[in-house]
Order: sequence, then structure tokens, then C-alpha cells
Amino acid sequence: DAGVTQSPTHLIKTRGQHVTLRCSPISGHKSVSWYQQVLGQGPQFIFQYYEKEERGRGNFPDRFSARQFPNYSSELNVNALLLGDSALYLCASSRQGEDTIYFGEGSWLTVV
Amino acid sequence: QKEVEQDPGPLSVPEGAIVSLNCTYSNSAFQYFMWYRQYSRKGPELLMYTYSSGNKEDGRFTAQVDKSSKYISLFIRDSQPSDSATYLCAMRRTSGTYKYIFGTGTRLKVLA
Repeated sequence: DAGVTQSPTHLIKTRGQHVTLRCSPISGHKSVSWYQQVLGQGPQFIFQYYEKEERGRGNFPDRFSARQFPNYSSELNVNALLLGDSALYLCASSRQGEDTIYFGEGSWLTVV
Repeated sequence: QKEVEQDPGPLSVPEGAIVSLNCTYSNSAFQYFMWYRQYSRKGPELLMYTYSSGNKEDGRFTAQVDKSSKYISLFIRDSQPSDSATYLCAMRRTSGTYKYIFGTGTRLKVLA
């Protein structure tokens, strides 16, 4: 079975631009979470969605938003990109809202 | 003070050694504890999952939780060069939040 898949794997954006990252969960998983991992740090929680509803939000500015679709895939959107948004963005899925989470390979975002 | 503290390393050991990786935490409400392995520029891979206190063994890996000391450990027996990676601890409360709090990760190098 396929694991969590994320796209794109790498991208470079300019300050002020907008980015959309995409995630497909493991088949049968209904919950998707997004994490940001800056180099040398552990992942930091951004959002969790379960059954298309937001169930948790981390300490990130309103420039960050997300949504979950009827097929349980998800998008993370970041507006007005800053240099500090450069990071590995990880998507994780789980069967239900509170189960063990499994990560994808991530999307590397570089803001220049 | 961070909620979860983890020595960043690097920790270098000879092949075949027993490795001990540790995290301390401050929030006594944490009940779920996980260990992830992350290879360079890859997503985290789930290794061990423990609820509340006690030990759990899976092959060469043993996870221990000491809630009285707010201390968790991961032991790797007969370490191999392929175990060289960053090891992340993660934890969360039982309810009320769906986010996992991660340590910064410990870099492990197993020397052949």
C-alpha cells in the first residue's frame, strides 16, 4: 500500500509569493496533520483535519491555512511568504483523529 | 523552557554497541510517547509507540517510559551503520489536543 504522498517535493519561491502544498493520506486514513520542520529542529504542529473539519491549530500566523477534501486529501496554503518560512513541510495521516501518525517524505520549500 | 528536551548530539558509537537515546519533558499530562527515525532529507519514520508508563520491545528496539521522572528512552541493541540517522521523540496528551510535541532530535552515527 502507498504511504503518505506529498507534492511537490522541492520548490523555490520569492518573498511575498503564495505556495500550495498537497498531501494524499494512506488509504483508509481520515485524518491529516501538517508540520513544519526547520533545519536542526523537530517538527512543529501547524494544523490537523479530521473528516474535513479543522480539529487543531498550532501557533502559526493567519498566513497559513489548510483544507481537507472529501477524498481526505489536503492542501496547505501559505500566503505572503517570508524567508523564515523556508523549511520542510510534513504531512502526516492517521486512521482517526488521535491515532499514531505516519509521515510523508515532505515538501522542501525555499524562500528567496 | 521547552516542553520536550532532547540532546541534539551527535552521538557516535561503534557498530554492535547498545545505544541509549533519551528525552525529558515537563508536561505531566503527556500520555502517548513515540520515537521516529529520520534519515537525511527524508520524512520521519515511526519506530515505537507507547502509551503511559512501561517498556515495549520490537526487535532490536526497546522503548521505556518513566512518568514519575518525566523521562523516556529508546535503546537500540546491536547497532548497525544503517541505524545512523536522527531520532526524534514525540508526545501528546490524552485528549483536548491533537498535536504532537517533538524533541529537536538526536543525531546518531554508528561507525563500521
